[in-house]
Amino acid sequence: GQNIDQPTEMTATEGAIVQINCTYQTSGFNGLFWYQQHAGEAPTFLSYNVLDGLEEKGRFSSFLSRSKGYSYLLLKELQMKDSASYLCAVRDAQGTPLVFGKGTRLSVIA
Amino acid sequence: DVKVTQSSRYLVKRTGEKVFLECVQDMDHENMFWYRQDPGLGLRLIYFSYDVKMKEKGDIPEGYSVSREKKERFSLILESASTNQTSMYLCASSPGGPETQYFGPGTRLLVL
Repeated sequence: GQNIDQPTEMTATEGAIVQINCTYQTSGFNGLFWYQQHAGEAPTFLSYNVLDGLEEKGRFSSFLSRSKGYSYLLLKELQMKDSASYLCAVRDAQGTPLVFGKGTRLSVIA
Repeated sequence: DVKVTQSSRYLVKRTGEKVFLECVQDMDHENMFWYRQDPGLGLRLIYFSYDVKMKEKGDIPEGYSVSREKKERFSLILESASTNQTSMYLCASSPGGPETQYFGPGTRLLVL
């Protein structure tokens, strides 16, 4: 079976750093994706990892360890607009649909 | 820019009605997907399609069907709507290969 786990909710302070973890067990692996979803809106693509290591994109970074079935999304210099749900998704084979975790709702407080 | 559009943002239907949700993408993507999203359950795959006239069942196909007569259009059909199909419906598309999926704005369906 496929299983993707991430925390349900997190709270962090404006200007701080937050790390959102994701663990996965899938039959294969062909990439891990992070999406951001504001309330009432569609998910938007943030990052993609297929090899081990850290991918940095501005204030957002994503890390992958395939041997541990583990990824995290790191958000730096948090802003109020970063309050959203963050979805971890895995593709287990090329061309197949993404399997999504249930999402982590992040609240950024002043 | 990839653009995925859905026919309605909000829809209210009555139990037993036949409901059509339309999705159109303008990037010549091979793959198209329909998900529903419910609180506490996340995104669940209903159906997907790799090509015109092809369809594959996802994790929760019961009560739904799909149609893909043209490459750019993927329709989700609720044959006889029920209250437990009240949900947010999200369409997505992707090209072949490792690229990500791009989502439409979603249709929030209420079945009374």
